[in-house]
Amino acid sequence: EVQLVESGGGLVLPGGSLRLSCAASGFTFSSYALHWVRQAPGKGLEYVSGINGGGGRSIYAPSVKGRFTISRDNSQNTLNLQMGSLTTDDVAVYYCARAADFTVFGVDEHFDYWGQGILVTVSS
Amino acid sequence: QSLLTQPPSVSGAPGQRVTISCTGSGSNIGAGYNVHWYQQLPGTAPKLLIYDNTNRPSGVPDRFSGSNSGTSASLAISGLQAEDEADYYCQSYDSFSTTSVFGGGTKLTVL
Repeated sequence: EVQLVESGGGLVLPGGSLRLSCAASGFTFSSYALHWVRQAPGKGLEYVSGINGGGGRSIYAPSVKGRFTISRDNSQNTLNLQMGSLTTDDVAVYYCARAADFTVFGVDEHFDYWGQGILVTVSS
Repeated sequence: QSLLTQPPSVSGAPGQRVTISCTGSGSNIGAGYNVHWYQQLPGTAPKLLIYDNTNRPSGVPDRFSGSNSGTSASLAISGLQAEDEADYYCQSYDSFSTTSVFGGGTKLTVL
């Protein structure tokens, strides 16, 4: 059974940093691109970032480019998101999601499995 | 402002058919990129409902169907049931932003 479990969320001060992780199981981790999608309270889904299976390619939404860094550890089956210069606009539930089979990384992907999400709050 | 536009809400009575539109532009749906749909029940993570415009993952009832034409796509739900009450999101790729993009979401109310 595919499982994605996020961790690392919590309260951070404006301008601060936070590192999210997503532990994966139930599939060949290195064979799949993984992504982060967020949802502000009461709002819709927003694409954040993605990384290919080998970890050599990554993409970012304009709203987080230069502040967030995505990475993965294929030996530990873990996806990470290092978030910096956080503002109240970054307050959201962050989901990790797996790109489906037979999709081209960064183009025309869809997400077949999602984690339960983790809340990030930015407040003084 | 989402690059994909959805109506904020739709409603229908049990047994009826409803459609949810997703309007894009020449840099996403109109460029031929696939549209995918997700269902998000209250308090839960999104679930893939339709992929590549018309395909249903295993386990999704055939009451759900997708279509697209030009710069728009639609999700149709027939034989509405109370458990269909949820938020629905379309998703595609946008060549201008060079990332996946989501519609703003549509809240379906079953009357």
